[in-house]
Parts: sequence; structure tokens; C-alpha cells
Amino acid sequence: DAKTTQPPSMDCAEGRAANLPCNHSTISGNEYVYWYRQIHSQGPQYIIHGLKNNETNEMASLIITEDRKSSTLILPHATLRDTAVYYCIVRTSYDKVIFGPGTSLSVIP
Amino acid sequence: NAGVMQNPRHLVRRRGQEARLRCSPMKGHSHVYWYRQLPEEGLKFMVYLQKENIIDESGMPKERFSAEFPKEGPSILRIQQVVRGDSAAYFCASSGQDNLNTEAFFGQGTRLTVV
Repeated sequence: DAKTTQPPSMDCAEGRAANLPCNHSTISGNEYVYWYRQIHSQGPQYIIHGLKNNETNEMASLIITEDRKSSTLILPHATLRDTAVYYCIVRTSYDKVIFGPGTSLSVIP
Repeated sequence: NAGVMQNPRHLVRRRGQEARLRCSPMKGHSHVYWYRQLPEEGLKFMVYLQKENIIDESGMPKERFSAEFPKEGPSILRIQQVVRGDSAAYFCASSGQDNLNTEAFFGQGTRLTVV
């Protein structure tokens, strides 16, 4: 899978928007950007994915730059329950999802 | 629509015993992935299976570990002659199609403790 780079940790105040960046400068034209999160030691939770257009669902928004070399996951109103490790993944094949170290997001009261 | 179901949630085995971890994919899903997460480490891909076929086992240890996904029933991850280093959380995921535009959903994992 294409390499992604994320900050190791971030803080966000409760109620504010959390903006999690991801760089994927080697992404190819048919590769999708996926976001998952893992709360404590639970199973990873799918959040959102996209190819080149911005995407929004009930959990988050995904903003992909025009050149597709980076993206931002936006949690519009972070709550304490959003404290988790967030993984940005570029899928180059359907036979696996490769997880990097991710960003540890701490939502602070 | 039930999600990915893994059982047992917790499993304790003595060194040298066998561990069998089960994963029932989401309804209609025929693709299963297994991952291992050692304490304080990241998620590592182990194996990808479709019904009755192992597609990619590049992350499986060469010895003692095996996986299957029979035509009927859950996928099974089997660890023979467990050692303390096998203590970890094992997660299963499933997806409905084999293309890049299909998300995989994860179960809550089986926490294996080898004593």
C-alpha cells in the first residue's frame, strides 16, 4: 500500500472540530483513501473513504486535495468518546488493509 | 444486520495447547481478513481468505498458525502449541466485494492469553 504520514498525536477541545491530516504523496490514480479508528483496544471502526471527491457521512467529513497527495479527516464536534487512534490508509489492493501507527487523538474536556 | 462476530472474546490457554478463534462475517460477506495486535503495538495483517480459499497469507507465521474459511460456517484461526508470545488481540474483518471501493468491517476481537 502507498505510504501515509500522520502526526503521532493531537489534542482537541471537546465540542470543537477535530482536523486530522494525512499525507499520501505517492498515491496512484485508482487508490482510495480510507480512515479507521480504534478506541482503546476495541476492534477498528470504519469511518469513511474516498477517491478524489470530498465525502461526508454521519460520522465525519473527508477532504482530499485536488492533487490527491493529502487529505484531512474532520470530526465536526468532537466528544470525549472520539478519543482514539485514527488511521489513514491508502488501499492499493483489495486483499489487505495495512495499518500504520496512526494519530492518537485526545479530546480534552 | 449483525456485525462481524468473533468468539470467544477472551481465551486463556496453557503453553502447548491449541487455540481456535472463530469469526462469523457480516451477512452476505465472503471475504475475511485476520489481524493480530500485540500489546502496545499496531495491527498486523495475517491472512486474507475467500470462501474455501486462502488468497494472501503473507502475514502468517510459518509454523503453528493456520486459517480456514469453509463453505459453511465461520472462519477459523488455529494456533497450535501456543507460546507466551502468542498472547495478543486477534481481530477479524469482513467485506462483501474484492475491490478497492469496498470497506472492511471489524469484529471486537479475541484476546488470547497464554499462561
